[in-house]
Amino acid sequence: DAGVTQSPTHLIKTRGQQVTLRCSPKSGHDTVSWYQQALGQGPQFIFQYYEEEERQRGNFPDRFSGHQFPNYSSELNVNALLLGDSALYLCASSPPVEDEQYFGPGTRLTVT
Amino acid sequence: GENVEQHPSTLSVQEGDSAVIKCTYSDSASNYFPWYKQELGKGPQLIIDIRSNVGEKKDQRIAVTLNKTAKHFSLHITETQPEDSAVYFCAAESSNTGKLIFGQGTTLQVKP
Repeated sequence: DAGVTQSPTHLIKTRGQQVTLRCSPKSGHDTVSWYQQALGQGPQFIFQYYEEEERQRGNFPDRFSGHQFPNYSSELNVNALLLGDSALYLCASSPPVEDEQYFGPGTRLTVT
Repeated sequence: GENVEQHPSTLSVQEGDSAVIKCTYSDSASNYFPWYKQELGKGPQLIIDIRSNVGEKKDQRIAVTLNKTAKHFSLHITETQPEDSAVYFCAAESSNTGKLIFGQGTTLQVKP
């Protein structure tokens, strides 16, 4: 059984550009959360998707948006990239009615 | 606001010794406390968790304790092995929000 998968593994973008990151949850999981992890820091919550709706949101600007598809996979979109958006972006999935969150390997985004 | 403090930031032990990492949370509504292990270049791996209706939980060489009154929780690793070397994160989740607030991480080094 595959765990949480994310694509791409690495990405280099230029300031001002837009980026889309993708996540497939573990089989049987229906909730997807996104986190940003700066170097040497703990992950910071961006938002969570359940039943194709954004259920919770952290302190991130509207440049960060997302989507969840009927098959529970999810996308994270970031517009007007800033140098400070360079980080590891982590996706986590949760089974129905459970607290546990299982993380994928992340996408390393570098903004130049 | 919601905050999780984690100590120490670095911890070096000899193989076979015990390691203890401590966290303090601020949100009294927090009721779920997971611990993650993150190896270089990988996503966080859930290693153990505890809920607010339990004071202690053990899984082989790792254990977690929770003091809700003091808003403290701790990770204990006994008989440490070199493969335990990694960055460990504590986290706290407010009631049913799905939003994990992470500590700053502890880099554990186990010397052979």
